[in-house]
Amino acid sequence: KQEVTQIPAALSVPEGENLVLNCSFTDSAIYNLQWFRQDPGKGLTSLLLIQSSQREQTSGRLNASLDKSSGRSTLYIAASQPGDSATYLCAVVMNYGGSQGNLIFGKGTKLSVKP
Amino acid sequence: EPEVTQTPSHQVTQMGQEVILRCVPISNHLYFYWYRQILGQKVEFLVSFYNNEISEKSEIFDDQFSVERPDGSNFTLKIRSTKLEDSAMYFCASSDPYSLTLEKLFFGSGTQLSVL
Repeated sequence: KQEVTQIPAALSVPEGENLVLNCSFTDSAIYNLQWFRQDPGKGLTSLLLIQSSQREQTSGRLNASLDKSSGRSTLYIAASQPGDSATYLCAVVMNYGGSQGNLIFGKGTKLSVKP
Repeated sequence: EPEVTQTPSHQVTQMGQEVILRCVPISNHLYFYWYRQILGQKVEFLVSFYNNEISEKSEIFDDQFSVERPDGSNFTLKIRSTKLEDSAMYFCASSDPYSLTLEKLFFGSGTQLSVL
């Protein structure tokens, strides 16, 4: 059974710092991996999606990498801002031919960026 | 930007009552999903729906749950006889696997269900 783990559970950094969030998964037979942002009382916003054949994706100050063989992904946030404060979730879809919307989530990293 | 809309944002019900959670997915999307998140726990997949039928469901999605697309815009989740452990935030999501966004899911802001 696939297990997705995110470390650390919480992170507090000063504004302007570069930071890395970690995600690991136990079964490397994934179809894709997504990073989401969750704000309190709001839904999940997809940030980056990496196909299993890709190594990384970039969007603005965000860069996500994927090492499928080792079961790891990282989300790099450059020059963090207070507006980046949120919970960041990692989720994988398994490569078994089922629904591509059956995401298996980690518990998230709660990020706080202090001004 | 198009978004997934969920109503109500909060729902309180008595144990044993039926509840219907409503969602309006993004209009040109073809796949629809329900997820839930119990307080302090992971977001969990419940069901996916495509072409007017369930394409996949999790172990959580037992006979107490059902989904329906009653018209061209709404997508609903019904819980027939609610239990205390059904208290959670329920998220609706949709996707269009034939678009440039590929399998990216778009989530609504959720319905917080409290069963008393």
